[in-house]
Amino acid sequence: SAVISQKPSRDICQRGTSLTIQCQVDSQVTMMFWYRQQPGQSLTLIATANQGSEATYESGFVIDKFPISRPNLTFSTLTVSNMSPEDSSIYLCSVLQGPNTEAFFGQGTRLTVV
Amino acid sequence: KNQVEQSPQSLIILEGKNCTLQCNYTVSPFSNLRWYKQDTGRGPVSLTIMTFSENTKSNGRYTATLDADTKQSSLHITASQLSDSASYICVVRESGGYNKLIFGAGTRLAVHP
Repeated sequence: SAVISQKPSRDICQRGTSLTIQCQVDSQVTMMFWYRQQPGQSLTLIATANQGSEATYESGFVIDKFPISRPNLTFSTLTVSNMSPEDSSIYLCSVLQGPNTEAFFGQGTRLTVV
Repeated sequence: KNQVEQSPQSLIILEGKNCTLQCNYTVSPFSNLRWYKQDTGRGPVSLTIMTFSENTKSNGRYTATLDADTKQSSLHITASQLSDSASYICVVRESGGYNKLIFGAGTRLAVHP
C-alpha cells in the first residue's frame, strides 16, 4: 500500500493568485496523477506527473494554468495559477504502481477562490 | 465514447438494511473495474478490483459482481452501518495505458438510524 500526504487540506484564495499543492508518498511509486473533483461530480484527470520530464496533460488542461513538478519518485506538486472562482474544486493526488493494482488517493485539497 | 454510468445517483436506507449499487460501462478495451468509497472531505479508498475473469469479489460486508459480457457491475452492501454513508464510485480502467481510469459520477449513500 501507499500512504499519501497531501497539503494543504483546504485553502481560500483571492482571484488572480496561485496555489501550490504538495503530494508526498511514503514509498517510491511508478505513476502519479492529479485529478480535479468539482462539487457533486466525478473525478477528472488533469495530468500524469512524469518523473524528470514534463507532465502529460489531458484535453482541456494546459501547463501554463496547471504547472506540475515531479522531482523524484515520491513527491509531486500541482500549481493552480491565476485563479478564478471557476477553479474552486477539490484537487486530488493519486498514485498507481501497476495496471492491476490499487490506485491510492490523497485526502484532497479543497480550494475556494473568492 | 468510453463511459461509466452509475445508478442510483443517491440512495437513503435504514441502518441494518442491504442495498445494491449499479454500474454500467462502455469502456473498451477493458482491463479492470474498481469500486471506491469516498467519505465526505476525503480521497477515495479502494474496496475491490475485478479483472475480466472475476465474477464476484468480497471485502467484508461489500460484495462486488462483474458481468463482462453485459458490461455491468454491482456493489452489494450487507447489514449497512451508519459509517457506510459515503459516495461509492465505480472506476473502469482501459487496457494499454496507466492513466486511463474512467470514473463514474458515484452513488451517494446515506444510512439513517
